[in-house]
Amino acid sequence: DTAVSQTPKYLVTQMGNDKSIKCEQNLGHDTMYWYKQDSKKFLKIMFSYNNKELIINETVPNRFSPKSPDKAHLNLHINSLELGDSAVYFCASSQDRQGVVNEQFFGPGTRLTVL
Amino acid sequence: QQPVQSPQAVILREGEDAVINCSSSKALYSVHWYRQKHGEAPVFLMILLKGGEQKGHEKISASFNEKKQQSSLYLTASQLSYSGTYFCGTEDSSASKIIFGSGTRLSIRP
Repeated sequence: DTAVSQTPKYLVTQMGNDKSIKCEQNLGHDTMYWYKQDSKKFLKIMFSYNNKELIINETVPNRFSPKSPDKAHLNLHINSLELGDSAVYFCASSQDRQGVVNEQFFGPGTRLTVL
Repeated sequence: QQPVQSPQAVILREGEDAVINCSSSKALYSVHWYRQKHGEAPVFLMILLKGGEQKGHEKISASFNEKKQQSSLYLTASQLSYSGTYFCGTEDSSASKIIFGSGTRLSIRP
């Protein structure tokens, strides 16, 4: 059984389109994250949710909107895609305690290419 | 603020040792180490909490000096399977998140 899964694995789309990436974890963790890894391999946190509540919202354009329907799912919707959004997006989950970050389990990543 | 990792890249022969350093300008609560192989997701190696502890994971160990706000990852008798990019992630006491360094690319040659 896959611990953290993401769909789709690859996403190729035109500038200006809207797309979504889905993430699910079956580890029973309370906290989920979205990270962006660019072509230089910088791994940058975008959002985190704890029990469906937004905890971290880094300086990410408003075009990015996370949604957590339940604590096992964290989706990422991106409006009006731009060339600079091309990257690998990783979902991760962890069982954090009292705000202390624990071991994170990463999904396989979604490679987004904006043409 | 992003921690600084050094070196940026290392090339070793199988069996050699390596040290990867991670330093921060902020007081740290913990340091996390991950390894990412090409085309794959980052995989957790270990967490070090403040208190100056040292941890081991097979032939990979790490230390954390909270006064110097530094951590080092030690890879001894490297194996081909150790190849990949190593990231340190730092957590300060207020953050509830880890900030990753820019990574150290480790290549092991037979």
